[in-house]
Amino acid sequence: NAGVMQNPRHLVRRRGQEARLRCSPMKGHSHVYWYRQLPEEGLKFMVYLQKENIIDESGMPKERFSAEFPKEGPSILRIQQVVRGDSAAYFCASSPIPLANTGELFFGEGSRLTVL
Amino acid sequence: GIQVEQSPPDLILQEGANSTLRCNFSDSVNNLQWFHQNPWGQLINLFYIPSGTKQNGRLSATTVATERYSLLYISSSQTTDSGVYFCAVTYNNNDMRFGAGTRLTVKP
Repeated sequence: NAGVMQNPRHLVRRRGQEARLRCSPMKGHSHVYWYRQLPEEGLKFMVYLQKENIIDESGMPKERFSAEFPKEGPSILRIQQVVRGDSAAYFCASSPIPLANTGELFFGEGSRLTVL
Repeated sequence: GIQVEQSPPDLILQEGANSTLRCNFSDSVNNLQWFHQNPWGQLINLFYIPSGTKQNGRLSATTVATERYSLLYISSSQTTDSGVYFCAVTYNNNDMRFGAGTRLTVKP
């Protein structure tokens, strides 16, 4: 099954630590998106990347959060100095063409971050 | 940006019943998807339906883009249909906007 793969599925961090979430898109997809879901809420867009480029990071907090999608390897969402408010489910999605060109999104199973 | 409203927010059904979920959006869209988030948190694609009507088994969806709404129909509901149903839209934009979802509980 060549679906969107995310790891880890669950991650527990103490305040001040770093969290790294990984995402491998579906085979043949070069467009990757990260979304955050707080408890009992819908998903909120964070960032859109293509290989080696951040295309749109308008939904990403300006501090402590960063994302990359290197030429080789998975996309990584990095959260530095985590705080309790960062506790959420982080979903990665990929598409074969950009959403703006009517691409279809396919989601991974999410990474659930708990900050103690 | 585009606002997305889903109704009803919560729905409880007996197994075998039919239901209609609605998604209203505030502006033109050229991309609309319905997702099911199951009780384990997985997001499952149901329909990619920026316009028109599609059917997949007991589920069907209709989007009337000119009137800015989409409907998801679930017939002969089963307990495995429980979860949250999300509508998401965008227009020439890479930021897909999600509604708050409809939480469906199907009782045996």
